[in-house]
Amino acid sequence: AQSVTQLDSQVPVFEEAPVELRCNYSSSVSVYLFWYVQYPNQGLQLLLKYLSGSTLVESINGFEAEFNKSQTSFHLRKPSVHISDTAEYFCAVRLLTGGGNKLTFGTGTQLKVEL
Amino acid sequence: DADVTQTPRNRITKTGKRIMLECSQTKGHDRMYWYRQDPGLGLRLIYYSFDVKDINKGEISDGYSVSRQAQAKFSLSLESAIPNQTALYFCATSDFRLGGNEQFFGPGTRLTVL
Repeated sequence: AQSVTQLDSQVPVFEEAPVELRCNYSSSVSVYLFWYVQYPNQGLQLLLKYLSGSTLVESINGFEAEFNKSQTSFHLRKPSVHISDTAEYFCAVRLLTGGGNKLTFGTGTQLKVEL
Repeated sequence: DADVTQTPRNRITKTGKRIMLECSQTKGHDRMYWYRQDPGLGLRLIYYSFDVKDINKGEISDGYSVSRQAQAKFSLSLESAIPNQTALYFCATSDFRLGGNEQFFGPGTRLTVL
């Protein structure tokens, strides 16, 4: 069975500083990888995804994540954060074959951007 | 209008009561999911449905049941609620025609069982 590990439950950072949210996964077969964001009192929204092709994927609001197969990681980065990035971020995996479309989520990382 | 709606948004109930959470979608997606979110545990899959006649258990289905009344409606029931079912519940949808790679989430239902 697949699993997702987000070691950092909370990451405080000052505005305009860079940030990295870590995600590692475990799976015996190839996976698709996702980052979802949850703003306060809202549902989850897809931030970015890796399905195939370039291992570096980007979102429209400046986040990027790089799929590293050898390290089984999919860390999320942003070179300069804004107050509005304060949210909880979830990494998720889906098996390429079998398992239906089920997503397995990590436990989440709360990003708090401070002035 | 929201594409995935959940009712109620908040509910407080007592131990032993039967409760139903409802989810409706206007996205025309074939697949629907129920998750619960607990602090520090992330989201865990309760049940999922790939079409009206296909219902599958997720990783934590005990104590829950579901009904897919139509392609657009997927309800979650707690037959006899208990305090450890206090959580935030999310419904989600995806579309096989789009590869099913993105799930679209509702706003959530906050359930408190006293």
